[in-house]
Amino acid sequence: NAGVTQTPKFQVLKTGQSMTLQCAQDMNHEYMSWYRQDPGMGLRLIHYSVGAGITDQGEVPNGYNVSRSTTEDFPLRLLSAAPSQTSVYFCASSWDRPRYGLSTDTQYFGPGTRLTVL
Amino acid sequence: GQQLNQSPQSMFIQEGEDVSMNCTSSSIFNTWLWYKQDPGEGPVLLIALYKAGELTSNGRLTAQFGITRKDSFLNISASIPSDVGIYFCAGLGGDSNYQLIWGAGTKLIIKP
Repeated sequence: NAGVTQTPKFQVLKTGQSMTLQCAQDMNHEYMSWYRQDPGMGLRLIHYSVGAGITDQGEVPNGYNVSRSTTEDFPLRLLSAAPSQTSVYFCASSWDRPRYGLSTDTQYFGPGTRLTVL
Repeated sequence: GQQLNQSPQSMFIQEGEDVSMNCTSSSIFNTWLWYKQDPGEGPVLLIALYKAGELTSNGRLTAQFGITRKDSFLNISASIPSDVGIYFCAGLGGDSNYQLIWGAGTKLIIKP
């Protein structure tokens, strides 16, 4: 099992460019989510999905789009990159959405994508 | 939105020392989680706490769920170099609406 994989590991964009961060998991998890990590702040939820074909917004969704066409993949799209989107992005997956912190909803994180927007 | 206050922000310790960190919230949680993030990696779950007053250990790590349900503590005994990293607390339940609420992290650095 590869677990949760993310590509690319590093990316530099110019303001206004668009790109897609890839996330894939091979654990057959239903729940997947995207977070951003900024210095001095906790992880913030961008978007999440409770299963193929279903997505919803998290705490900071503006400027990002997601889709979930398969159970395995959950790409994050930046529509028009801005310097405020400079961050480290983590994808995570679990069997179930966070409910009680049990093994069924324990989230497994990918290694992250470090994005810089100039 | 809900916030967790995690302290200290960073700690410089000698190998072999004990470490303590904590998280506090203005809201109650039903579950407290502690994660560790190694450099260049994503967070990994260390300990989960489900009941007020609960004390749980994972090797040299011990975590407690505060009796008010608004705080949690993590202790690391006899630190070793591989303990270096960022430790995050996260809360679940209460008003969090199936979303983890994260602290800002405590960065642990071991002095040479």
